[in-house]
Amino acid sequence: QVQVRESGPGLVKPSETLSLTCSVFGAFVSSHYWSWVRKPPGRGLEWIGYVYDAGTTNYNPSLKSRAIVSVDTPKNQFSLKLRSVTTADTAVYYCARVSDSSAFVFDPWGQGRLVTVSS
Amino acid sequence: YVLTQPSSVAVAPGRTATITCGGNNIGLKSVQWYQQKAGQAPALVVHYDRNRPPGIPERFSGSNSGNTATLIINRVEAGDEADYHCQVWDSSEDVLVFGGGTKLTVL
Repeated sequence: QVQVRESGPGLVKPSETLSLTCSVFGAFVSSHYWSWVRKPPGRGLEWIGYVYDAGTTNYNPSLKSRAIVSVDTPKNQFSLKLRSVTTADTAVYYCARVSDSSAFVFDPWGQGRLVTVSS
Repeated sequence: YVLTQPSSVAVAPGRTATITCGGNNIGLKSVQWYQQKAGQAPALVVHYDRNRPPGIPERFSGSNSGNTATLIINRVEAGDEADYHCQVWDSSEDVLVFGGGTKLTVL
C-alpha cells in the first residue's frame, strides 16, 4: 500500500522560500508521477506541479515560475520549493502520487502540511 | 480552462445528492472526483468519469456529457458530509484544473 507524508516548516517569512518534502512509502519515487497540490483557506484546491522520471517536471503557469519540484531517489522523497512567497501562499500543502498519468488521477494523498506565510 | 461547481448542496439523509461540474466540452475529458472531509486529506471517489476505486460504496456514481460532469450520491448518509472537488487534465494547455469545490451538507 502506497503512502506519502509531507514534512517541513509550518511558518515562512514573506519573500523567503517555502520548502517541503514528501516521503514515499510502498513505491519507488522513480517509478511514478508525483505532484503537489495546495488549498488556501476558504478556497478550492490548486495544482502546483508534478515530477516524473526522476526529473521531468510541469508546473501551473499561475505560479509564474516560482515553484520547483524535484526528486531525491536515494531517499525515496520528492520536494517542493516555492520562492518569493507572500501571504497569498498561505495554504495546506498536499503531496500525492499520480496513480494514472493519462488522466492525472491523484491517489493516495498525504495528510497535508499547513504553511503560514507571516513576518 | 475553468471548472464551475456550486458552492454548496444540502440533502436529507436517505435522499440523492447531485453535484455538478461545468466546463467547456468537459464531456471530451476524463473527470475525477475527490471527497475531502473536515480536517482530512482529499480522497479519490470517482475516476474516469464513472469508475469507483476499491472500497468506495456503490452509492457513489458519476456521469459526464456535453458541458457537465455529475457526481451522484444515492441514499446519502451523515458520513458523506464533506467538500467534493472535480478535476480534469487540460491537454491543450498541459495544465491540471480543479473545480472550486462543493460543500455537501446532510440535513
